[in-house]
Amino acid sequence: KAGVTQTPRYLIKTRGQQVTLSCSPISGHRSVSWYQQTPGQGLQFLFEYFSETQRNKGNFPGRFSGRQFSNSRSEMNVSTLELGDSALYLCASSLAGNSPLHFGNGTRLTVT
Amino acid sequence: GENVEQHPSTLSVQEGDSAVIKCTYSDSASNYFPWYKQELGKRPQLIIDIRSNVGEKKDQRIAVTLNKTAKHFSLHITETQPEDSAVYFCALGSGNTGKLIFGQGTTLQVKP
Repeated sequence: KAGVTQTPRYLIKTRGQQVTLSCSPISGHRSVSWYQQTPGQGLQFLFEYFSETQRNKGNFPGRFSGRQFSNSRSEMNVSTLELGDSALYLCASSLAGNSPLHFGNGTRLTVT
Repeated sequence: GENVEQHPSTLSVQEGDSAVIKCTYSDSASNYFPWYKQELGKRPQLIIDIRSNVGEKKDQRIAVTLNKTAKHFSLHITETQPEDSAVYFCALGSGNTGKLIFGQGTTLQVKP
């Protein structure tokens, strides 16, 4: 069974631009969550989607948004990029709530 | 609110010794307690998890204990090996969602 796939692996953007990251979950997994990982803040929850609906949202500004499609694939978008948005963005999928999260390899975003 | 404190932040042991990492939390609604291992440059991977109706769970050299009254849970690794060197994260889940709150991580170094 294929794991969680995230594209692209690396991105370099300049301040003020926007970016879209993509995540394909494990087949059959309906929950997709997004996390931001930085050396200073660790792993922070961004949001979770289940059956195309946002089920939970973390404490991030409205510049961070996401969506989930009918095939469970998910995208997250960050608008008006800031230097502090530089991070590893991890996507994770799971069968249901409170079941093991399976992480993708992440997208490394660098904002210059 | 949702918060988890993880200690120690770094841990160095000799090969063959035991390692213990502890996490404390405040939200009594937490009912799912996974532990993730993240090797350098790789994605976090689940190593063991426990639910609130269980006090202890073991998988070969790895065990997790949960004290719901005191609101803490711990990861125990016995007979450590150099390949156990990594960053370990505890996490909390509640309800039936894919949202996890992560601890700050513990960098474990196992010296041969």
